[in-house]
Amino acid sequence: DADVTQTPRNRITKTGKRIMLECSQTKGHDRMYWYRQDPGLGLRLIYYSFDVKDINKGEISDGYSVSRQAQAKFSLSLESAIPNQTALYFCATSLNTGELFFGEGSRLTVL
Amino acid sequence: GENVEQHPSTLSVQEGDSAVIKCTYSDSASNYFPWYKQELGKRPQLIIDIRSNVGEKKDQRIAVTLNKTAKHFSLHITETQPEDSAVYFCAASLLGGGKLIFGQGTELSVKP
Repeated sequence: DADVTQTPRNRITKTGKRIMLECSQTKGHDRMYWYRQDPGLGLRLIYYSFDVKDINKGEISDGYSVSRQAQAKFSLSLESAIPNQTALYFCATSLNTGELFFGEGSRLTVL
Repeated sequence: GENVEQHPSTLSVQEGDSAVIKCTYSDSASNYFPWYKQELGKRPQLIIDIRSNVGEKKDQRIAVTLNKTAKHFSLHITETQPEDSAVYFCAASLLGGGKLIFGQGTELSVKP
Protein backbone atom coordinates (compact mmCIF):
# COMPACT_ATOMS: atom_id res chain seq x y z
CA ASP A 1 0.00 0.00 0.00
CA ALA A 2 1.15 3.52 -0.73
CA ASP A 3 2.21 5.11 2.53
CA VAL A 4 3.96 7.90 4.39
CA THR A 5 7.10 6.74 6.24
CA GLN A 6 8.89 8.64 8.98
CA THR A 7 12.34 7.98 10.41
CA PRO A 8 13.35 7.74 13.17
CA ARG A 9 10.22 6.68 15.04
CA ASN A 10 11.77 7.51 18.39
CA ARG A 11 14.74 9.67 19.24
CA ILE A 12 16.27 10.90 22.49
CA THR A 13 18.82 13.67 22.24
CA LYS A 14 20.47 16.37 24.29
CA THR A 15 20.03 20.12 24.33
CA GLY A 16 22.03 21.82 21.59
CA LYS A 17 22.26 18.82 19.27
CA ARG A 18 21.21 18.98 15.62
CA ILE A 19 18.39 16.62 14.76
CA MET A 20 16.85 15.64 11.43
CA LEU A 21 13.51 13.89 11.02
CA GLU A 22 12.90 12.38 7.62
CA CYS A 23 9.71 11.71 5.72
CA SER A 24 9.20 9.83 2.48
CA GLN A 25 6.00 8.95 0.66
CA THR A 26 4.89 6.60 -2.05
CA LYS A 27 1.44 8.16 -2.50
CA GLY A 28 2.51 10.35 -5.40
CA HIS A 29 1.18 13.47 -3.65
CA ASP A 30 2.66 16.87 -4.38
CA ARG A 31 1.93 18.46 -1.01
CA MET A 32 3.82 17.61 2.16
CA TYR A 33 3.56 18.95 5.71
CA TRP A 34 5.20 18.79 9.12
CA TYR A 35 3.01 19.03 12.23
CA ARG A 36 3.86 18.93 15.89
CA GLN A 37 1.49 17.34 18.46
CA ASP A 38 1.51 18.32 22.13
CA PRO A 39 -1.13 17.29 24.70
CA GLY A 40 -3.83 19.93 24.94
CA LEU A 41 -2.45 21.90 22.01
CA GLY A 42 -3.57 19.73 19.13
CA LEU A 43 -1.66 19.52 15.89
CA ARG A 44 0.28 22.65 14.98
CA LEU A 45 1.65 23.27 11.49
CA ILE A 46 5.41 23.83 11.32
CA TYR A 47 6.14 23.99 7.56
CA TYR A 48 4.46 22.91 4.35
CA SER A 49 5.50 22.48 0.74
CA PHE A 50 3.44 22.26 -2.44
CA ASP A 51 6.33 21.04 -4.63
CA VAL A 52 10.11 20.78 -4.67
CA LYS A 53 10.72 24.51 -5.08
CA ASP A 54 8.02 25.63 -2.67
CA ILE A 55 8.50 26.00 1.11
CA ASN A 56 6.09 27.83 3.41
CA LYS A 57 6.13 28.62 7.11
CA GLY A 58 3.32 27.40 9.25
CA GLU A 59 2.12 28.46 12.71
CA ILE A 60 5.28 27.60 14.66
CA SER A 61 8.34 27.60 12.36
CA ASP A 62 10.81 29.28 14.74
CA GLY A 63 13.64 26.88 15.67
CA TYR A 64 12.91 24.57 12.74
CA SER A 65 13.97 24.32 9.10
CA VAL A 66 12.92 22.01 6.28
CA SER A 67 14.24 20.65 3.02
CA ARG A 68 12.23 19.21 0.11
CA GLN A 69 14.87 17.03 -1.48
CA ALA A 70 12.54 15.41 -3.98
CA GLN A 71 8.84 15.15 -4.69
CA ALA A 72 8.66 12.21 -2.31
CA LYS A 73 10.97 13.44 0.48
CA PHE A 74 10.53 16.21 3.05
CA SER A 75 12.84 16.50 6.05
CA LEU A 76 12.54 18.57 9.22
CA SER A 77 15.64 19.84 11.04
CA LEU A 78 16.16 21.22 14.51
CA GLU A 79 19.48 23.06 14.31
CA SER A 80 19.98 23.27 18.06
CA ALA A 81 17.40 21.24 19.94
CA ILE A 82 15.88 22.56 23.17
CA PRO A 83 13.71 20.74 25.75
CA ASN A 84 10.46 22.50 24.73
CA GLN A 85 10.81 20.89 21.30
CA THR A 86 10.05 17.56 22.96
CA ALA A 87 6.92 16.42 21.12
CA LEU A 88 5.39 13.96 18.68
CA TYR A 89 6.07 15.06 15.09
CA PHE A 90 3.91 14.04 12.16
CA CYS A 91 4.61 14.27 8.47
CA ALA A 92 1.59 14.35 6.18
CA THR A 93 0.83 14.46 2.46
CA SER A 94 -2.14 15.52 0.37
CA LEU A 95 -3.50 16.27 -3.04
CA ASN A 96 -5.17 19.65 -3.43
CA THR A 97 -8.50 18.09 -2.43
CA GLY A 98 -7.89 18.57 1.27
CA GLU A 99 -7.49 15.18 2.98
CA LEU A 100 -4.21 14.76 4.84
CA PHE A 101 -2.51 11.36 5.02
CA PHE A 102 -0.28 11.16 8.08
CA GLY A 103 2.83 9.15 8.77
CA GLU A 104 3.10 7.10 11.96
CA GLY A 105 4.86 9.89 13.84
CA SER A 106 8.32 10.52 15.27
CA ARG A 107 8.58 10.92 19.03
CA LEU A 108 11.42 13.28 19.95
CA THR A 109 12.70 13.80 23.48
CA VAL A 110 15.21 16.57 24.16
CA LEU A 111 16.97 16.29 27.52
CA GLY B 1 -4.38 33.78 10.08
CA GLU B 2 -6.89 31.09 10.88
CA ASN B 3 -7.51 30.12 14.51
CA VAL B 4 -9.63 27.12 15.52
CA GLU B 5 -11.02 26.62 19.02
CA GLN B 6 -12.40 23.21 20.04
CA HIS B 7 -14.54 22.20 23.04
CA PRO B 8 -14.72 20.26 25.23
CA SER B 9 -11.19 19.01 25.77
CA THR B 10 -12.48 15.79 27.35
CA LEU B 11 -15.85 14.07 27.02
CA SER B 12 -17.08 10.94 28.73
CA VAL B 13 -20.32 9.23 27.68
CA GLN B 14 -22.07 5.93 28.27
CA GLU B 15 -22.20 3.44 25.44
CA GLY B 16 -25.26 4.16 23.32
CA ASP B 17 -25.40 7.84 24.20
CA SER B 18 -24.67 10.66 21.75
CA ALA B 19 -21.54 12.82 21.77
CA VAL B 20 -21.16 16.34 20.41
CA ILE B 21 -17.90 18.21 19.84
CA LYS B 22 -17.92 21.87 18.84
CA CYS B 23 -15.43 24.07 17.01
CA THR B 24 -15.24 27.72 16.07
CA TYR B 25 -13.00 29.29 13.46
CA SER B 26 -11.87 32.84 12.84
CA ASP B 27 -11.19 33.22 9.10
CA SER B 28 -14.38 33.76 7.12
CA ALA B 29 -12.55 32.71 3.94
CA SER B 30 -12.20 29.12 5.20
CA ASN B 31 -14.42 26.74 3.25
CA TYR B 32 -13.23 23.25 4.18
CA PHE B 33 -13.82 21.67 7.61
CA PRO B 34 -12.56 18.11 8.20
CA TRP B 35 -12.64 15.97 11.32
CA TYR B 36 -9.86 13.54 12.21
CA LYS B 37 -9.86 10.64 14.66
CA GLN B 38 -6.69 9.55 16.43
CA GLU B 39 -6.79 6.27 18.32
CA LEU B 40 -4.24 5.72 21.07
CA GLY B 41 -0.75 5.36 19.63
CA LYS B 42 -1.99 5.75 16.05
CA ARG B 43 -1.85 8.41 13.38
CA PRO B 44 -4.80 10.80 12.81
CA GLN B 45 -7.20 9.70 10.10
CA LEU B 46 -9.97 11.60 8.34
CA ILE B 47 -13.45 10.46 9.34
CA ILE B 48 -15.67 13.08 7.70
CA ASP B 49 -15.44 16.53 6.16
CA ILE B 50 -17.79 19.27 5.07
CA ARG B 51 -17.48 22.10 2.61
CA SER B 52 -19.04 25.50 3.00
CA ASN B 53 -21.66 24.98 0.32
CA VAL B 54 -23.57 22.53 2.55
CA GLY B 55 -24.90 22.84 6.09
CA GLU B 56 -24.90 19.20 7.14
CA LYS B 57 -23.36 15.89 6.12
CA LYS B 58 -23.98 12.41 7.51
CA ASP B 59 -22.11 9.14 7.29
CA GLN B 60 -23.77 6.34 9.26
CA ARG B 61 -23.46 7.26 12.96
CA ILE B 62 -21.50 10.46 12.46
CA ALA B 63 -22.68 13.82 11.20
CA VAL B 64 -21.21 17.28 10.87
CA THR B 65 -23.07 20.58 10.87
CA LEU B 66 -21.76 23.94 9.73
CA ASN B 67 -22.99 27.43 10.53
CA LYS B 68 -20.99 29.81 8.34
CA THR B 69 -22.67 32.91 9.73
CA ALA B 70 -21.61 32.07 13.27
CA LYS B 71 -18.35 30.45 12.11
CA HIS B 72 -18.85 27.24 14.00
CA PHE B 73 -19.16 23.58 13.13
CA SER B 74 -19.88 20.46 15.15
CA LEU B 75 -19.35 16.71 15.10
CA HIS B 76 -22.21 14.50 16.25
CA ILE B 77 -21.73 10.82 17.04
CA THR B 78 -24.87 8.81 17.76
CA GLU B 79 -25.18 5.39 19.43
CA THR B 80 -21.61 5.59 20.67
CA GLN B 81 -19.57 2.41 20.98
CA PRO B 82 -16.34 1.69 22.92
CA GLU B 83 -14.39 1.74 19.65
CA ASP B 84 -15.36 5.41 19.25
CA SER B 85 -13.01 6.18 22.15
CA ALA B 86 -10.22 8.33 20.70
CA VAL B 87 -9.02 11.89 20.32
CA TYR B 88 -10.98 13.89 17.75
CA PHE B 89 -9.61 16.95 15.98
CA CYS B 90 -11.50 19.54 13.97
CA ALA B 91 -9.71 21.67 11.39
CA ALA B 92 -10.33 24.49 8.94
CA SER B 93 -8.75 25.75 5.75
CA LEU B 94 -9.31 27.29 2.37
CA LEU B 95 -9.69 24.25 0.13
CA GLY B 96 -6.69 24.10 -2.16
CA GLY B 97 -4.90 26.64 0.00
CA GLY B 98 -2.99 23.94 1.85
CA LYS B 99 -2.76 25.41 5.31
CA LEU B 100 -4.98 23.15 7.44
CA ILE B 101 -5.25 24.50 11.00
CA PHE B 102 -6.37 22.15 13.75
CA GLY B 103 -8.26 22.62 16.97
CA GLN B 104 -6.84 21.48 20.31
CA GLY B 105 -8.50 18.07 20.26
CA THR B 106 -11.23 16.32 22.29
CA GLU B 107 -10.53 13.09 24.14
CA LEU B 108 -13.73 11.03 23.93
CA SER B 109 -14.19 8.12 26.30
CA VAL B 110 -17.12 5.75 25.76
CA LYS B 111 -17.82 3.62 28.83
CA PRO B 112 -19.40 0.18 28.35
